[in-house]
Order: sequence, then C-alpha cells, then structure tokens
Amino acid sequence: AQKITQTQPGMFVQEKEAVTLDCTYDTSDPSYGLFWYKQPSSGEMIFLIYQGSYDQQNATEGRYSLNFQKARKSANLVISASQLGDSAMYFCAMREGRDYKLSFGAGTTVTVRA
Amino acid sequence: EAGVAQSPRYKIIEKRQSVAFWCNPISGHATLYWYQQILGQGPKLLIQFQNNGVVDDSQLPKDRFSAERLKGVDSTLKIQPAKLEDSAVYLCASSLDGETGTSADTQYFGPGTRLTVL
Repeated sequence: AQKITQTQPGMFVQEKEAVTLDCTYDTSDPSYGLFWYKQPSSGEMIFLIYQGSYDQQNATEGRYSLNFQKARKSANLVISASQLGDSAMYFCAMREGRDYKLSFGAGTTVTVRA
Repeated sequence: EAGVAQSPRYKIIEKRQSVAFWCNPISGHATLYWYQQILGQGPKLLIQFQNNGVVDDSQLPKDRFSAERLKGVDSTLKIQPAKLEDSAVYLCASSLDGETGTSADTQYFGPGTRLTVL
C-alpha cells in the first residue's frame, strides 16, 4: 500500500495567489513525522516544513504552512503569495516509528504564471 | 553552515562500466542516507548509515551496488557493473538525530548526482 499519496500531478497558479498541495498518508504508528520538500529543475531537494504527529499546532515557515488533519491523515501544504521562483516539483514525505527512511509521494509539479 | 556536498554533479557511462559517487554530510550529522530517484518518481532509500555503521540496506542491490562510510563522515556509493536501469539521480542526505517525532530528524539533501548509463 502507498504510504504517501499525492493526487495532483501538476498545478498552475497565478503569481501572488495561494496554492494548496494535497498529501494523504497511511500509517498505524502513533509516532511519525511529515515533511515537504521542494525540488527545482536543478535537482536539489530543499526542505520546506516539518510536522510531528504529536504537534498540537499546524507548522508554519514563512510563506509555507502545513494544514495537518490527523483524523483524516492529511498534511496539505499551502504556499501563500506565490512567486515565480516557486515553480518546482513538491514532494510530501513521511518517517514512521523507528523506520528512519523517508517514504516519498510521487510529487506535484507547480508552475507559477506571471 | 555548509550543506551536504556531492560530486560529481553529472556522470555519463557505458553499461557494464563502474562509477562512484561521493558525499560529505553536514558537519555533526551522525546519520547519512543514499537515495535513488528515477525520473518522474520520488526518491527511494538505498542505504542508511548511523556514524560508520549500516542501519538499513534492505533496498540496496548488493550484487552491483556497494557503499561505505569511513570514519563516520564522508561516504562513497559505487555501482559495478552499471545497467541501463541505473540511470537516475543519486541523492545523499544527512540528519542530526535518528529519533522520529522531532524536527531533529529532518533530512537535508545534497544537490545530487545525475547518472546516465548508455
């Protein structure tokens, strides 16, 4: 079974608008961490934001916020005030329990239009 | 603070040749990971080291792939002999601590090595 599901293969957004990237996860472990990474065309994976399973509040980092709905097992990324430099592939990932490796989703390509 | 360093950035080889990739993690990071990312997919873990010991190599094709982390710092990933299906980006990542549930387990990635096998 897929541990991380990203259902949007590609999205277009107008500059300065907000965009929401969907991510659902599957785990039975009570201890897990959820991550979002950005991968521009250069190939590097850039860490954006982290949400721990025990965190009471949604994580925020600048223009990035994570809409964490534990009961629905979703961890959507919201990018506010999109910029042209936000055009990239975005990956949702999860670590669970004592399994240290990250399980990645298939990714969502975001294209910001001027 | 310097990030994760990798070299080379690009490599083109013929099938059945050998190739090696190098990674230097963020200073002080005990855990080092090698991932393989095939075009259009998310990265897949190949091997994880904690200091200089292997924690997980269950997805490493051991008949052709090998990796080492001498002295618990730099790491080398080798492929011998390479196959066409090994064409991918090889990403190295490191993290401060392996404990899940805290932000300290965030993995930071290097720029990757793009391998093309002809």
